[in-house]
Amino acid sequence: QKEVEQDPGPLSVPEGAIVSLNCTYSNSAFQYFMWYRQYSRKGPELLMYTYSSGNKEDGRFTAQVDKSSKYISLFIRDSQPSDSATYLCAMILSSNDYKLSFGAGTTVTVRA
Amino acid sequence: DAGITQSPRHKVTETGTPVTLRCHQTENHRYMYWYRQDPGHGLRLIHYSYGVKDTDKGEVSDGYSVSRSKTEDFLLTLESATSSQTSVYFCAISSTARRYEQYFGPGTRLTVT
Repeated sequence: QKEVEQDPGPLSVPEGAIVSLNCTYSNSAFQYFMWYRQYSRKGPELLMYTYSSGNKEDGRFTAQVDKSSKYISLFIRDSQPSDSATYLCAMILSSNDYKLSFGAGTTVTVRA
Repeated sequence: DAGITQSPRHKVTETGTPVTLRCHQTENHRYMYWYRQDPGHGLRLIHYSYGVKDTDKGEVSDGYSVSRSKTEDFLLTLESATSSQTSVYFCAISSTARRYEQYFGPGTRLTVT
């Protein structure tokens, strides 16, 4: 079983829709939870991170962590064609080495 | 790309040949990482460095070696390339103060024929 599971999609939504992305994880020791955005043939860029449970908002993006169910989510409001990308969740298992465990990524297309 | 460059950006090589990929950063960050990205697997850590001459293995280190003789450069070497090492390779960096924030380079697309 992978440490981090993410539905690869693809996901296609019309412009203006809410995009909902999810990951589940198996190890209860995860502390930091990240979302990266990766445009085609580019490197991943850090979008948001959260520490422990709860919500975090940044403009049109909201990240949620539910440690009791080992579930993290990313919501994109008022989606735009420029949001079309692959979104990867990632988690840090230990504060000793800060190694990142990644999900496989979900490809999102926002249709104009 | 947060002051990170990778070279070469594209490479085609034959099975059995040695290959070295270079990651160069201008941020003076302590930590550097090499990942590979393959369809269905996401990003997997190959090796990482926590200082000059200090390196450790990641999840998929077999067939790879690394070296870091200067803060700004982290080299990944495939001693004898195999077709299973065809992949996109990414370098990442993070600072001592914010180790949880890793910033990625533009990637190197390697094809082993």
